[in-house]
Amino acid sequence: EPEVTQTPSHQVTQMGQEVILRCVPISNHLYFYWYRQILGQKVEFLVSFYNNEISEKSEIFDDQFSVERPDGSNFTLKIRSTKLEDSAMYFCASAPTGLAPGELFFGEGSRLTVL
Amino acid sequence: RKEVEQDPGPFNVPEGATVAFNCTYSNSASQSFFWYRQDCRKEPKLLMSVYSSGNEDGRFTAQLNRASQYISLLIRDSKLSDSATYLCVVTGNQFYFGTGTSLTVIP
Repeated sequence: EPEVTQTPSHQVTQMGQEVILRCVPISNHLYFYWYRQILGQKVEFLVSFYNNEISEKSEIFDDQFSVERPDGSNFTLKIRSTKLEDSAMYFCASAPTGLAPGELFFGEGSRLTVL
Repeated sequence: RKEVEQDPGPFNVPEGATVAFNCTYSNSASQSFFWYRQDCRKEPKLLMSVYSSGNEDGRFTAQLNRASQYISLLIRDSKLSDSATYLCVVTGNQFYFGTGTSLTVIP
């Protein structure tokens, strides 16, 4: 069964360092998303991406964040200068269609720990 | 105002019990509704979509009340394996997640 894959599964970094989280969405999907979940809290929307551009982003997705689809298969989230509060599980998701009646398929997540 | 609100629980129920979760949403223009299940430290996975007419999948029944902007999930004959967090998801400009309701089924 096709699945969304994410790497790394866990990354530990020092505050102020840059981090790149990678995702390979399901191959025939057109919509891509990044979510994050701080331990014990809700799943929060960061950004959606369609047709090689950002279609929607949340207040969390400020200038330290960027996304890219560099080669038609990978979908990356870059955090330029990590802060302690960026520690969370970051989930990539993809969907074959848009919001209706779409279903999100999630990767297993990348756990980011900022020290 | 939160887009999606859920009672966080926790709900602790014995095996075989029936349990119901509720969710309210704020955007009357929302088009699609889902229940996702999330196991501890795992990714959310789709449990079922919620249709206007209500829908059932085995022991799980989902209902949507657009007038009250309310969604429910009923689990009958609870199993130990049903222990998880249940996330209500509503679409607006994107997918909005509730905080989740924690369920523990006790032997």
